[in-house]
Amino acid sequence: DTGVSQNPRHKITKRGQNVTFRCDPISEHNRLYWYRQTLGQGPEFLTYFQNEAQLEKSRLLSDRFSAERPKGSFSTLEIQRTEQGDSAMYLCASSLEENTEAFFGQGTRLTVV
Amino acid sequence: KNQVEQSPQSLIILEGKNCTLQCNYTVSPFSNLRWYKQDTGRGPVSLTIMTFSENTKSNGRYTATLDADTKQSSLHITASQLSDSASYICVVSPLGNNNDMRFGAGTRLTVKP
Repeated sequence: DTGVSQNPRHKITKRGQNVTFRCDPISEHNRLYWYRQTLGQGPEFLTYFQNEAQLEKSRLLSDRFSAERPKGSFSTLEIQRTEQGDSAMYLCASSLEENTEAFFGQGTRLTVV
Repeated sequence: KNQVEQSPQSLIILEGKNCTLQCNYTVSPFSNLRWYKQDTGRGPVSLTIMTFSENTKSNGRYTATLDADTKQSSLHITASQLSDSASYICVVSPLGNNNDMRFGAGTRLTVKP
């Protein structure tokens, strides 16, 4: 499978714990995006990387959230001191260049209890 | 206010019937407009992508149309199948910032036998 891969698919954590998600984009895709999606809503932009550089961050990305893409390949999204409001589907997408198709991963479903 | 509005919010049709989903947007100028299909608990899958100069784009039984003057797009599904049951999301990217994908909330389509 050469699509966008996200791990884990599901994560249940206690409030206050830290969690980290991983995204492996399609090989050779320069652009990588993180989105958050709550039930019944479309995805909301969190952050965007071009290669290893994080070029844009949404206001939604509070200081408890951090994303990295150290070698310009896979990316991680960490949430510190999780809150119940962080419960959502976290989606990763990648694209080759501007105005080309963005491919999404299957998402990581986070439940904070 | 969301810059991409979709209607209806949900739709139920019988297998074999056609349907049309609507997308109105205020993003202007825009670079491209995409339609995605999202199965429950899965990541969105691209159906069509149109630049501002295109009027229509087909992908099998899916046909998207775009009227840049009225800022409206539609997704027409022909001869619906049970597997078409999903959320259909309209996404618009502003001109000059293709990374900023503005998602609609989606239309939840249910196809019944």
